[in-house]
Amino acid sequence: KAGVTQTPRYLIKTRGQQVTLSCSPISGHRSVSWYQQTPGQGLQFLFEYFSETQRNKGNFPGRFSGRQFSNSRSEMNVSTLELGDSALYLCASSGTDQETQYFGPGTRLLVL
Amino acid sequence: AQSVTQLDSHVSVSEGTPVLLRCNYSSSYSPSLFWYVQHPNKGLQLLLKYTSAATLVKGINGFEAEFKKSETSFHLTKPSAHMSDAAEYFCVVSLMEYGNKLVFGAGTILRVKS
Repeated sequence: KAGVTQTPRYLIKTRGQQVTLSCSPISGHRSVSWYQQTPGQGLQFLFEYFSETQRNKGNFPGRFSGRQFSNSRSEMNVSTLELGDSALYLCASSGTDQETQYFGPGTRLLVL
Repeated sequence: AQSVTQLDSHVSVSEGTPVLLRCNYSSSYSPSLFWYVQHPNKGLQLLLKYTSAATLVKGINGFEAEFKKSETSFHLTKPSAHMSDAAEYFCVVSLMEYGNKLVFGAGTILRVKS
C-alpha cells in the first residue's frame, strides 16, 4: 500500500499570503489529522477529520482551517500568514485502528 | 489530562552499546502509548504501540518498550545501537475522548558515535 503523501513538499510564502496544503491518506483510511512541528513548540495537534467532518480541533487561531473530501483526501489552509507559521506541517491517517496514525513526509513552509 | 514527559533531550551512545530513551506518562486511565522516530528532514515513523495486551512491546528495527504502571513509565530500549538509529524519538499518548488526537513528548535526539 502506498503511504501518506503530502504536496507540496516545500513552500515559500510571504507574510499576509495564504497557503493550501494537501494530504492523501493511505488507501482505505478515513481519518486524517494535521500537526504542526516547530523547534520551539514541538509537535502540536491542529485538527482531525473523519468522513468529511471535523471531529477534533487543537488550540490554533481561526486562520488555520481544513477540510476533507469524499475520497478522504484532506487540505489545510492558512490565511494571512505570519512569520511564526513557518513550520513542518505533518499529515497522518488512520484506519480501523483509529489510534494508530501513519504520517506523511510533511510540507515545510517558510514564511518570509 | 493525559501527557508524556521525555526525561532526556539528548542521548549519546557508542555504536554497539545499549540504548535507553526514557518516557513517563500521566493518565487518568490506561493509556495507549507509542514511540515514533523522525530521521532528519523526514516524517514520523511508527516504532511500536502499547495497548495493554502485553507490558513488553516489540517494535521495528530491534526496539522494544516496557510499560510499567507502578512507575508510570514507558521507556524505549535497544540492545545494540546502530549508526542508522541516530534520529529524534518521540513518546506519544493517544487521546480518544473526542475524535483522535496524539499528544507528543518534547523528543529525544539520539546520537550514535562510531
